[in-house]
Amino acid sequence: GNSVTQMEGPVTLSEEAFLTINCTYTATGYPSLFWYVQYPGEGLQLLLKATKADDKGSNKGFEATYRKETTSFHLEKGSVQVSDSAVYFCALSDPDSGGSNYKLTFGKGTLLTVNP
Amino acid sequence: NAGVTQTPKFRILKIGQSMTLQCAQDMNHNYMYWYRQDPGMGLKLIYYSVGAGITDKGEVPNGYNVSRSTTEDFPLRLELAAPSQTSVYFCASRKDRFYNEQFFGPGTRLTVL
Repeated sequence: GNSVTQMEGPVTLSEEAFLTINCTYTATGYPSLFWYVQYPGEGLQLLLKATKADDKGSNKGFEATYRKETTSFHLEKGSVQVSDSAVYFCALSDPDSGGSNYKLTFGKGTLLTVNP
Repeated sequence: NAGVTQTPKFRILKIGQSMTLQCAQDMNHNYMYWYRQDPGMGLKLIYYSVGAGITDKGEVPNGYNVSRSTTEDFPLRLELAAPSQTSVYFCASRKDRFYNEQFFGPGTRLTVL
């Protein structure tokens, strides 16, 4: 079956530090990959996505590249801000997962705290 | 557009009580989903629907029921609340099979005592 493994948190960084959150996946077909962000007390919001190998998703200074050879989709940001403090979820949607009708499979989430 | 809305935001139930979590979307999306989020466990799919009148079980359906009488609404019913159902519940919608992005509501925090 499909699965997503994310780097264990929590992650604590100082403002302007470089961020990497690792994500690897297992899927039966050719999935689309996503990063969702959840700010405190809110629902999940799509941060970025990539639908095929070597695609790079980017948004708000965050980037992630779909690496089929390493089955990875690591999230990076060059300079984090206090406002980036949130929980980040890696997820995949596998159209070949039969009766699952394109459900999202989530990782467990990584809590990021950025200190001033 | 309001997007995906959920009510209530918070609720405390006693063991054995019943309640319905409401979810509505105004984007004319065909697909709708219910997830629960437990601490450190990510999101687990409870039920989903691909259109009005069509629902199916997800990974953790026991103790829950759903209905989809309209495109807009997808309520989640808890019949006999148990402490194991203490969680945060998220509803999500998706346009159709050609669009991957799911849009999430703000969540309902449920505590069963």
